[in-house]
Amino acid sequence: DAKTTQPTSMDCAEGRAANLPCNHSTISGNEYVYWYRQIHSQGPQYIIHGLKNNETNEMASLIITEDRKSSTLILPHATLRDTAVYYCIVSRYSGGGADGLTFGKGTHLIIQP
Amino acid sequence: DTAVSQTPKYLVTQMGNDKSIKCEQNLGHDTMYWYKQDSKKFLKIMFSYNNKELIINETVPNRFSPKSPDKAHLNLHINSLELGDSAVYFCASSQGARQGGGNTIYFGEGSWLTVV
Repeated sequence: DAKTTQPTSMDCAEGRAANLPCNHSTISGNEYVYWYRQIHSQGPQYIIHGLKNNETNEMASLIITEDRKSSTLILPHATLRDTAVYYCIVSRYSGGGADGLTFGKGTHLIIQP
Repeated sequence: DTAVSQTPKYLVTQMGNDKSIKCEQNLGHDTMYWYKQDSKKFLKIMFSYNNKELIINETVPNRFSPKSPDKAHLNLHINSLELGDSAVYFCASSQGARQGGGNTIYFGEGSWLTVV
């Protein structure tokens, strides 16, 4: 699976949109981009995933560049409960497949009141 | 209803002991996993089971053994515990290892293991 690069930490004001970038310049054509988050002392939680097109669900939006070398996770109206470590993962298999999902260091997003 | 549940949540034990962590999922998934998160917060996969068959086995010590009595359960047995085994262990499940996207991995709340 391709490697991803994320900023170590980010701050965002409560109520504003949080935009979390992820670089995956070596992504292959059949690899998906997944986003998970881990709130302190909890298990990781799935947020969203995509292949080529932009995606939106009740939690967030995922914007993937046309060349697929980077993506941005958008939390439209961040709340204090969104403070967590956010992981961007690239994987060929939906559920992780033979290798499972490989988690990197992620971005620690801190929502400021 | 908790989708993926694991017990115990906290476990403190002495070096050399043998312990087990139990995991159950009520999602009807056919693949279950065990992940380990160490003190540096790195989350690494240890095992996955698909239809009661081990399909991956990371380079973990053979003191760790997953046991699956049925599709809904994947327990983790650890023999001869060492100080370095102290970590948070997460159980997880997914619909299956297949291409195409659309599946997600659901994690339990974690089991905090401390070896003293």
